[in-house]
Amino acid sequence: GENVEQHPSTLSVQEGDSAVIKCTYSDSASNYFPWYKQELGKRPQLIIDIRSNVGEKKDQRIAVTLNKTAKHFSLHITETQPEDSAVYFCALYRNQGGKLIFGQGTELSVKP
Amino acid sequence: GAGVSQSPSNKVTEKGKDVELRCDPISGHTALYWYRQRLGQGLEFLIYFQGNSAPDKSGLPSDRFSAERTGESVSTLTIQRTQQEDSAVYLCASSLNRGYQPQHFGDGTRLSIL
Repeated sequence: GENVEQHPSTLSVQEGDSAVIKCTYSDSASNYFPWYKQELGKRPQLIIDIRSNVGEKKDQRIAVTLNKTAKHFSLHITETQPEDSAVYFCALYRNQGGKLIFGQGTELSVKP
Repeated sequence: GAGVSQSPSNKVTEKGKDVELRCDPISGHTALYWYRQRLGQGLEFLIYFQGNSAPDKSGLPSDRFSAERTGESVSTLTIQRTQQEDSAVYLCASSLNRGYQPQHFGDGTRLSIL
């Protein structure tokens, strides 16, 4: 079945630095790629998403890039703040079955 | 409420008992999804409902798991004869319809099997 590989599993940065999380996949039919942020004990929250007709999307300090040829997409957080600390999940929408396939998550720690 | 609502928030039960988890989607959302999240893990798809279509049950881990949805409203996930490996957070999400639509999650039900 479809898998999404997410790296790194943990990431520690200093406040103000940038953080990058990368996901790779194999199903070329996937066309929708959301990213979720999950704080400890809370629900996953959608922070940004991208569709395959664009290569990059930005929302303030958060950006996502997509390379469909290479089958990878990445989350970029600039000027990180301690409140960015959370687990981040990438996902892709699998047309067959209408479900999201999630990566294993990246635990981001932003040190003040 | 404006978001996806799940109940109970926590459930502790003995091995072998049946449990029923409830999800109230966002009003007007035709698609509803159940996921399971084990401690420190990603989200594992269980089942998906879209309008009046037959549900996609491809993610259900065993025949002890079943789910129902009445129309485009409440859904219940039932686990029969619970096992310790069923311990996890069960998350429900809804989206406006099927396809490239954002899925909005509830807070989940934390299930602990003793």
